[in-house]
Amino acid sequence: GAGVSQSPRYKVAKRGQDVALRCDPISGHVSLFWYQQALGQGPEFLTYFQNEAQLDKSGLPSDRFFAERPEGSVSTLKIQRTQQEDSAVYLCASSDRGLNPSGNTIYFGEGSWLTVV
Amino acid sequence: QKEVEQDPGPLSVPEGAIVSLNCTYSNSAFQYFMWYRQYSRKGPELLMYTYSSGNKEDGRFTAQVDKSSKYISLFIRDSQPSDSATYLCAMKRGSTLGRLYFGRGTQLTVWP
Repeated sequence: GAGVSQSPRYKVAKRGQDVALRCDPISGHVSLFWYQQALGQGPEFLTYFQNEAQLDKSGLPSDRFFAERPEGSVSTLKIQRTQQEDSAVYLCASSDRGLNPSGNTIYFGEGSWLTVV
Repeated sequence: QKEVEQDPGPLSVPEGAIVSLNCTYSNSAFQYFMWYRQYSRKGPELLMYTYSSGNKEDGRFTAQVDKSSKYISLFIRDSQPSDSATYLCAMKRGSTLGRLYFGRGTQLTVWP
């Protein structure tokens, strides 16, 4: 596709439910990032993949958060036993550069809006 | 204290005004500096990208970086109602694998 595609765009989950958020990066992009953006805040880094390898997961807030990219293309962010503080926009971004992509090559999707009630 | 500080505003200006947006940071390892624009319910869109200190101009937008003061600015000349959005500053260390550090964003409204 032309840009980074995320689904679902909007998700309402009951507290304690598991959710899965999908990201389709721009075709051929080797780097993929997940960010979390709370209301009124800037995006916060969660994790980074280069192809299928998860090279940095230091931003994942707890072991309830898990991300994968098994074939080096589509990625899924899974949140187990959701809590109200997980309510946020989850942004996916991709880059065609490998190690250490410059800031000007990173493209963001429109995000998945998660509300936990 | 966050590594990147940005006044959230809101900022409201009349059409045609010059807008000044700023961020400060604490980590001297930041080498790459970016400004993103984010419309409501959309993802961030890159506006300006600079490396190290100095000025960069692109149309009505000018980005300034002062590494000695750990201070970056974005100026918007002849502001338009279509510029109404949230502006996010972002920074990157040279050594990290593309990880960006964002400010919290400044909400700007340009009224006709």
